[in-house]
Amino acid sequence: EVQLVESGGGLVQPGRSLRLSCAASGFTFDDYAMHWVRQAPGKGLEWVSGISWNSGSIGYVDSVKGRFTISRDNAKNSLYLQMNSLRAEDTALYYCAKEKYYHDGSAYSYYFDYWGQGTLVTVSS
Amino acid sequence: DIQMTQSPSSVSASVGDRVTITCRASQGISSWLAWYQQKPGKAPKLLIYAASILQSGVPSRFSGSGSGTDFTLTISSLQPEDFATYYCQQANSFPYAFGQGTKLEIK
Repeated sequence: EVQLVESGGGLVQPGRSLRLSCAASGFTFDDYAMHWVRQAPGKGLEWVSGISWNSGSIGYVDSVKGRFTISRDNAKNSLYLQMNSLRAEDTALYYCAKEKYYHDGSAYSYYFDYWGQGTLVTVSS
Repeated sequence: DIQMTQSPSSVSASVGDRVTITCRASQGISSWLAWYQQKPGKAPKLLIYAASILQSGVPSRFSGSGSGTDFTLTISSLQPEDFATYYCQQANSFPYAFGQGTKLEIK
């Protein structure tokens, strides 16, 4: 059974840092890209960052570029998100998600087939 | 970056009704689109990928269609457990944008 368990959230002051972790089990972790998706209270889903199986391809949403860093440790089956210079607008439930890829004969496309339960980050003074 | 726009933002329907939700991409994304269902306090669940392929375990009353810029999610006969919020997601390239969500409520 695939399990994704996030940790590291909490209350932090604006401008400070936090590191989120996601422990994965039930699948071959280093075969898949992984992602962070967040959801502000009462709002919709926002993709934050993704990392390929070998860390060779990394992407971020514009609003976190230069502040957040995604990484992974395949030996530990773990995904991380280092969040620096936190802002009030970063307040959200942060989900870790496993990527599902699909090839339609011409190109690959990428989806999120397993999600953790999320870890809450609150940025407030 | 590709923007995703869903309509309507909310819809009221009754058990047994047929419901359609629309998602529009700001540029063509072929069939690279997913639909997710989210219930309160729960993580999202993948329903459909590649615009029309049902994820394993998802009931056949859910279906998806479309390509290019216009996509639809249809629930053929609403069940009580289907009342939730639905999101589309473009699956072409970073950043993987979601639509703003459609809340399906009981009439």
